Amino acid sequence: EIVMTQSPGTLSVSPGERATLSCRASQSVASNLAWYQQKPGQAPRLLFSGASTRATGIPARFSGSGSGTEFTLTISGLQSEDFAVYYCQQYNNWPRTFGQGTKVEIK
Amino acid sequence: EVQVLESGGGLVPPGGSLRLSCAASGFTFSDYVMSWLRQAPGKGLEWVSSISANGGTTNYTDSVKGRFTISRDSSKNTLSLQMTSLRADDTAIYYCAQGGAMIFAVWGQGTLVTVSS
Repeated sequence: EIVMTQSPGTLSVSPGERATLSCRASQSVASNLAWYQQKPGQAPRLLFSGASTRATGIPARFSGSGSGTEFTLTISGLQSEDFAVYYCQQYNNWPRTFGQGTKVEIK
Repeated sequence: EVQVLESGGGLVPPGGSLRLSCAASGFTFSDYVMSWLRQAPGKGLEWVSSISANGGTTNYTDSVKGRFTISRDSSKNTLSLQMTSLRADDTAIYYCAQGGAMIFAVWGQGTLVTVSS
């Protein structure tokens, strides 16, 4: 099983600033990585597939990068609606596995 | 609008059984892999099971193999998860999702399963 490790666990950021979230895979997943956003009481929402391809309706202030074992989600100019928990997920191997999540909170 | 809607959650004693359902709409159900995922209270996301578009291939996470069965009825656009021998650590919100061959593109709002005496 591929273990996905996200860092930091919690990120405190002021509105308008940039947030950088990391995701590391225990072995290469190529570019087979997705990012999701989950707000309290809501279902997760797909942000990215293929490590860097934005899903429909995702604003350009969100960007994804990386390949192999190291991936980054960057949110530029954080807005109030961006404070949430973010998960990475690999789909290179079964079982599909998620990171433990990074909570982006208001500083 | 693409939607999936779960139902069937509830309180069940340890060792009991429960069947979850997911009604899909807004897309050609028979064209898509479908999946179940779960989230224990205050915890992260866990993939549980996926079924291929034609229903011929299923996959399960190790902790539910032999206890859970995923199935689909393309005539009714419905996905199901039969859960038996339930344990306390199966307590979670269960999500139905379109996808699973790769990404989980569309998620339902979830249904809560609580395993407790």
